[in-house]
Amino acid sequence: EVQLLESGGGLVQPGGSLRLSCAASGFTFSSYAMSWVRQAPGKGLEWVSAISGSGGSTYYADSVKGRFTISRDNSKNTLYLQMNSLRAEDTAVYYCAKNIRDSSGWVYWYFDLWGRGTLVTVSS
Amino acid sequence: DIQMTQSPSSLSASVGDRVTITCRASQGISNYLAWYQQKPGKVPKLLIYAASTLQSGVPSRFSGSGSGTDFTLTISSLQPEDVATYYCQKYNSAPPNTFGQGTKLEIK
Repeated sequence: EVQLLESGGGLVQPGGSLRLSCAASGFTFSSYAMSWVRQAPGKGLEWVSAISGSGGSTYYADSVKGRFTISRDNSKNTLYLQMNSLRAEDTAVYYCAKNIRDSSGWVYWYFDLWGRGTLVTVSS
Repeated sequence: DIQMTQSPSSLSASVGDRVTITCRASQGISNYLAWYQQKPGKVPKLLIYAASTLQSGVPSRFSGSGSGTDFTLTISSLQPEDVATYYCQKYNSAPPNTFGQGTKLEIK
């Protein structure tokens, strides 16, 4: 079955750190760019970060640049998001999502598969 | 960065109604636009990509149109199971790939 399963969320104090993981199965993980998208309670979707299939290219929203680091381990079919210097406004459900790749290898930066999400709460 | 603006922010319609949601990009994005549906308490689901291509398994009452800066998502005959928040997303270039702010659709 094609699926994504996030883990690692929880309660953390402001200024603290967390590492999220996303385990992929049912597809050739290394062939696809992957992304993190978050949703604050009662709010809309916010793209956070993305990484190419090889891991050689990474992208960040301005709101997390310098604090979050995206990475992947293709041997483990796992995507990561290291979150440092966390703020109250980082409180959200964090989804990992799979980007699209056509037969020529071109990446399309929308999402056809989403995980169920993991909740990160930043509070003292 | 390109901004995506949806209208309306919320919408109430009756079962069987034709419903239209609009998404406007602050700069031209050709047809690099996707629409997602997020039902209450659920994960977002891809409905449409390339502005008008229906994702596999999506009911044919959903359709998309537009190019450049102006796009629409149309539900031809609203069903109770269509209650959800709908988001547009541009993907004309490498990230950031901004979402619209969402349109909450309810049944009247």
